[in-house]
Amino acid sequence: AQSVTQLDSQVPVFEEAPVELRCNYSSSVSVYLFWYVQYPNQGLQLLLKYLSGSTLVESINGFEAEFNKSQTSFHLRKPSVHISDTAEYFCAVSRYGGSQGNLIFGKGTKLSVKP
Amino acid sequence: DGGITQSPKYLFRKEGQNVTLSCEQNLNHDAMYWYRQDPGQGLRLIYYSQIVNDFQKGDIAEGYSVSREKKESFPLTVTSAQKNPTAFYLCASSTGRSSGANVLTFGAGSRLTVL
Repeated sequence: AQSVTQLDSQVPVFEEAPVELRCNYSSSVSVYLFWYVQYPNQGLQLLLKYLSGSTLVESINGFEAEFNKSQTSFHLRKPSVHISDTAEYFCAVSRYGGSQGNLIFGKGTKLSVKP
Repeated sequence: DGGITQSPKYLFRKEGQNVTLSCEQNLNHDAMYWYRQDPGQGLRLIYYSQIVNDFQKGDIAEGYSVSREKKESFPLTVTSAQKNPTAFYLCASSTGRSSGANVLTFGAGSRLTVL
């Protein structure tokens, strides 16, 4: 069975500082990896995904994540954060060929960007 | 605009009452899902449906029921058997065509409080 661990429940940073949100997964089979973002009192939105190919994936708002198979990690990074990046971020994993309900979410990391 | 509509946004219930949360999508997606979100717990799958008139239990189905009579609709009933129903409930959908690689589209959520 897969599992996802987000190592930090809260990450406070100052505006324009770099940030890394850590995600590790465990699985005995190949996986797909996702980062979703949730703004206060809203649903989740896809931020980026790794399905295959290049291990570095980018989002349109400056976030990037790198799939590291040997370390079973998919950390999310941004070189310079904005106040508007304040949100909760969820890492998720699903199995190749898995059923529709086989998406496992981490417990989330709350990013708080301070001026 | 295509999307998922959840209603009501806020709902208060007395103990012992059943309540039904509505979820409607106009994305022509085959698969639909219900998740429960509690602070610091991430998202946990309640039920999912890959096709009309069929659905499967997720990790925490006890005390909940669903129906899928139409492709667009996937209502969730929180029954009196659910011991701790106060939570944020999220409905999602996906095309369902690529097992494991599906990207979920989420609604804005329904917050249920038991008085």
